Amino acid sequence: GAGVSQTPSNKVTEKGKYVELRCDPISGHTALYWYRQSLGQGPEFLIYFQGTGAADDSGLPNDRFFAVRPEGSVSTLKIQRTERGDSAVYLCASSGPTGTDTQYFGPGTRLTVL
Amino acid sequence: GDSVTQMEGPVTLSEEAFLTINCTYTATGYPSLFWYVQYPGEGLQLLLKATKADDKGSNKGFEATYRKETTSFHLEKGSVQVSDSAVYFCALSKETSGSRLTFGEGTQLTVNP
Repeated sequence: GAGVSQTPSNKVTEKGKYVELRCDPISGHTALYWYRQSLGQGPEFLIYFQGTGAADDSGLPNDRFFAVRPEGSVSTLKIQRTERGDSAVYLCASSGPTGTDTQYFGPGTRLTVL
Repeated sequence: GDSVTQMEGPVTLSEEAFLTINCTYTATGYPSLFWYVQYPGEGLQLLLKATKADDKGSNKGFEATYRKETTSFHLEKGSVQVSDSAVYFCALSKETSGSRLTFGEGTQLTVNP
């Protein structure tokens, strides 16, 4: 079956603009995670959904970042008033509901803020 | 908080050489441990995992043993191939933290023919 997909694959924007990044998880996966990977670093956790609700948003760096998953499937990460420091690869992963289920990652969206 | 420390890279080896990439962790409770791999131009893939102490994860000739006494999960392979060239990430997760992954910084491996 299809894996996790993310769109767009690349996004270039100007400082101060608003962006939305989309994640389509594997069908039937109830858990969805967003991570951010800066150049030369490991991915860092942003937010975790179980179903429609954000079970843990402690990794969001500030209130410019927000994510939704209204129907428990597709998720959108929203960044307001983008800053150059937001430039990174944003990764989405999905898994089954149990704690030991493997997380499957999408290819990521490379965000560049000019 | 929880953290993962990997040996600094990059690592360059000749084909058929023995590989070790060191990984140690700091965590409360009982984490699960993982190695993920990122091949050039591809997304992160799970390579292997271990969910409790003394478990050994293995896949594609790679192995790692969960050592609670030394808080380590070192990755090994007896004979590397050019196709193993990639970035390797050690990570942990805990069910009490929603199973979110905490990653190390990654180790770039290059295998030359």
